[in-house]
Amino acid sequence: GQQLNQSPQSMFIQEGEDVSMNCTSSSIFNTWLWYKQDPGEGPVLLIALYKAGELTSNGRLTAQFGITRKDSFLNISASIPSDVGIYFCAGQLVYAGGTSYGKLTFGQGTILTVHP
Amino acid sequence: DGGITQSPKYLFRKEGQNVTLSCEQNLNHDAMYWYRQDPGQGLRLIYYSQIVNDFQKGDIAEGYSVSREKKESFPLTVTSAQKNPTAFYLCASSIDGRFGLADYEQYFGPGTRLTVT
Repeated sequence: GQQLNQSPQSMFIQEGEDVSMNCTSSSIFNTWLWYKQDPGEGPVLLIALYKAGELTSNGRLTAQFGITRKDSFLNISASIPSDVGIYFCAGQLVYAGGTSYGKLTFGQGTILTVHP
Repeated sequence: DGGITQSPKYLFRKEGQNVTLSCEQNLNHDAMYWYRQDPGQGLRLIYYSQIVNDFQKGDIAEGYSVSREKKESFPLTVTSAQKNPTAFYLCASSIDGRFGLADYEQYFGPGTRLTVT
């Protein structure tokens, strides 16, 4: 079942505003990835995080790997209309007996709408 | 240009028919994955393959089948046993999930929207 809680489910903002979304879990993750999906297209990888506490930027996007390894957040600064889409977090879950090689767990997505 | 291709973009089938969705990659990735996406939901893993001639069931494999005869190809068959096949299907690939953290970066194709009536 779903092991990642992503929030908020949707956001309606004005162009130029900053955006923040996050993913949390009761389980530990080794890797956090953030994707953006445009309507009718496949997700595109935005940022990948590999170490607890790591803070990584990609243009106006900034993401952090939580210290507890159970959460991650994504910030978008000065939003523009083309930021519209669905943002997904994904992580590689650490199981008690080892790791889930290659498998990712996905959040349910945050739908972002930007009003010009 | 390296990437993942899925064809066709839109597919329509009658209930009771099997249908095969194509996924090809020229990224030289070892691992490939199939996901299903329903409106308002995240991605659910159907099948994945880490190496040629080997594949494992994901979380929702019932009613689906796959093959991995070539490194660059991972076709998905939606069988008549799948009770609710209408969905958006996404194929992805990654270097390999076994040897390094960067190997978890999955790259997605454009998707195939399957409608069964």
